[in-house]
Amino acid sequence: DAGVIQSPRHEVTEMGQEVTLRCKPISGHNSLFWYRQTMMRGLELLIYFNNNVPIDDSGMPEDRFSAKMPNASFSTLKIQPSEPRDSAVYFCASSYQGNLGNTEAFFGQGTRLTVV
Amino acid sequence: GNSVTQMEGPVTLSEEAFLTINCTYTATGYPSLFWYVQYPGEGLQLLLKATKADDKGSNKGFEATYRKETTSFHLEKGSVQVSDSAVYFCALRDYKLSFGAGTTVTVRA
Repeated sequence: DAGVIQSPRHEVTEMGQEVTLRCKPISGHNSLFWYRQTMMRGLELLIYFNNNVPIDDSGMPEDRFSAKMPNASFSTLKIQPSEPRDSAVYFCASSYQGNLGNTEAFFGQGTRLTVV
Repeated sequence: GNSVTQMEGPVTLSEEAFLTINCTYTATGYPSLFWYVQYPGEGLQLLLKATKADDKGSNKGFEATYRKETTSFHLEKGSVQVSDSAVYFCALRDYKLSFGAGTTVTVRA
């Protein structure tokens, strides 16, 4: 398996524009996480999906942020409109959660977002 | 809710020195515990894990033991190398994965 795949790797956009980040989890995994990493706040969990359903979105900063998981192999994180304070590295991670236990989470390489 | 507290850095060591990074957790139930490592410009990689009390995770010379009585999962390595310079994250998982703040480790030759 190629691991968790995120795109784009880098994104530079102007304030006010819509930004869409994409994630393809590892095949067979049923849990997906979106994290944001900044120097000031460290690693923050934004949203967690299990079996394509959002279970915990308490970390989503505000209504400008939205995330979807239309199927088991794809998720998006959208920011509309973007602001300079959204500049960060956004990570997607996936894992398997089942009755026999949970696997560790595998992370993508991240998307470095810069909003100017 | 569940949370992880880890030793703040940065930590600077000389090669072949002993490394300890403290990690304690608060959780209901019996979470799995992890250490992740992040090298500059990269994503997080699993370093080691433990899924139940008294389990010892080990990898690349690093070790950590799941201590239920002290709610701890301290990371140790007996002799560090320059290539161990990275940010280390302690994490726990019940249904979601919660991370500590991360500890930056720099090893000097």
